[in-house]
Amino acid sequence: GIQVEQSPPDLILQEGANSTLRCNFSDSVNNLQWFHQNPWGQLINLFYIPSGTKQNGRLSATTVATERYSLLYISSSQTTDSGVYFCAVERGGSEKLVFGKGTKLTVNP
Amino acid sequence: EAGVAQSPRYKIIEKRQSVAFWCNPISGHATLYWYQQILGQGPKLLIQFQNNGVVDDSQLPKDRFSAERLKGVDSTLKIQPAKLEDSAVYLCASSGRGQGMIDYEQYFGPGTRLTVT
Repeated sequence: GIQVEQSPPDLILQEGANSTLRCNFSDSVNNLQWFHQNPWGQLINLFYIPSGTKQNGRLSATTVATERYSLLYISSSQTTDSGVYFCAVERGGSEKLVFGKGTKLTVNP
Repeated sequence: EAGVAQSPRYKIIEKRQSVAFWCNPISGHATLYWYQQILGQGPKLLIQFQNNGVVDDSQLPKDRFSAERLKGVDSTLKIQPAKLEDSAVYLCASSGRGQGMIDYEQYFGPGTRLTVT
């Protein structure tokens, strides 16, 4: 099956810092989503981005499908950004999301 | 627009007991998914329904897990009998797949945290 690797596994920042999270995948995809899992376990949709670039406030994401990676940028981080960020992909011909292991982000005040 | 609803939010049972979880997807979404998330890991798909038909249940432990979506809307996931390793968060998601949409974005409910003792 398709492999999804996220890096780094853990990231600790001071409030106000910027960060880049990476997601590599091993096959072509027709769906890629970024999620934020908050401390209560809720998965919050950040981006649906099988290709291209999108921005939403302090967050932006870029997927380069031909090179099989996606990047999530967080600018001016806040303590509320803490949690686990998941990348999930759907391989062409399949209908299920395969998740990476996540990046655990801690933003300190 | 209301999101995906799940209940209960928490459940504690003893091993060998049975338990059931309920999910109500986003209104109009034809496709419903159940995922299992073990602590420290990403969610893993258990079963996918499109309307009331099963699309993929290849990772559902069918000797103890069952799921149904009788009228193509709500769904229930049952475990009988439960084992210690079933302790996890059970997440329900829905999408507009199967309705001619090109957007396959999945939306998740708050999950049910199951503890088996």
